[in-house]
Amino acid sequence: AQSVTQLGSHVSVSEGALVLLRCNYSSSVPPYLFWYVQYPNQGLQLLLKYTSAATLVKGINGFEAEFKKSETSFHLTKPSAHMSDAAEYFCAVSEVFGNEKLTFGTGTRLTIIP
Amino acid sequence: GAGVSQSPSNKVTEKGKDVELRCDPISGHTALYWYRQRLGQGLEFLIYFQGNSAPDKSGLPSDRFSAERTGESVSTLTIQRTQQEDSAVYLCASSLEVRTGFIVTEAFFGQGTRLTVV
Repeated sequence: AQSVTQLGSHVSVSEGALVLLRCNYSSSVPPYLFWYVQYPNQGLQLLLKYTSAATLVKGINGFEAEFKKSETSFHLTKPSAHMSDAAEYFCAVSEVFGNEKLTFGTGTRLTIIP
Repeated sequence: GAGVSQSPSNKVTEKGKDVELRCDPISGHTALYWYRQRLGQGLEFLIYFQGNSAPDKSGLPSDRFSAERTGESVSTLTIQRTQQEDSAVYLCASSLEVRTGFIVTEAFFGQGTRLTVV
């Protein structure tokens, strides 16, 4: 069975500071990993995805995430936070040779402090 | 349309009534998901349709919940005898086959239906 744990339901960073949102996964087979973002009053949209091509994945809006198999992690980072980054972020996993169902974490709400 | 379409966008219903929520996926997408998002919480998986395979209903919270999908098109989520705890945003998503060889496509989400049970 696959699962996702997002540490920290709320994260606050100052504008211009590093953003780090944590995601750890559990999967019995090689995983596909995703980060989605949900802006206020909007639907979810894909930020980036890991599909085993490269461990460092770059996404939209300056975000990137690194797949670390030894740590079963897929943390999301951005070097410099912008006010427009305030949103809820969801990590998700599906399995390459198993259950294709997407399983989401409980989300992390990111607040940017001016 | 270009994206996943859900209707209605908002629904207020009285406790005990039945409701139907509709999802029109992106044309050609074989996989369709329903999720529930309660206020301040994450996405809760409800049901997953993939092509002609039997749907994965493991997330449906009770037998009051059911969903159907016609071929690879429209899906309807039905909640019978609604309760106040059913109040949430119900999200639908669709994708091409999640894994096709080594091609992985993401799920595209609709804007959701906000259900309020009073």
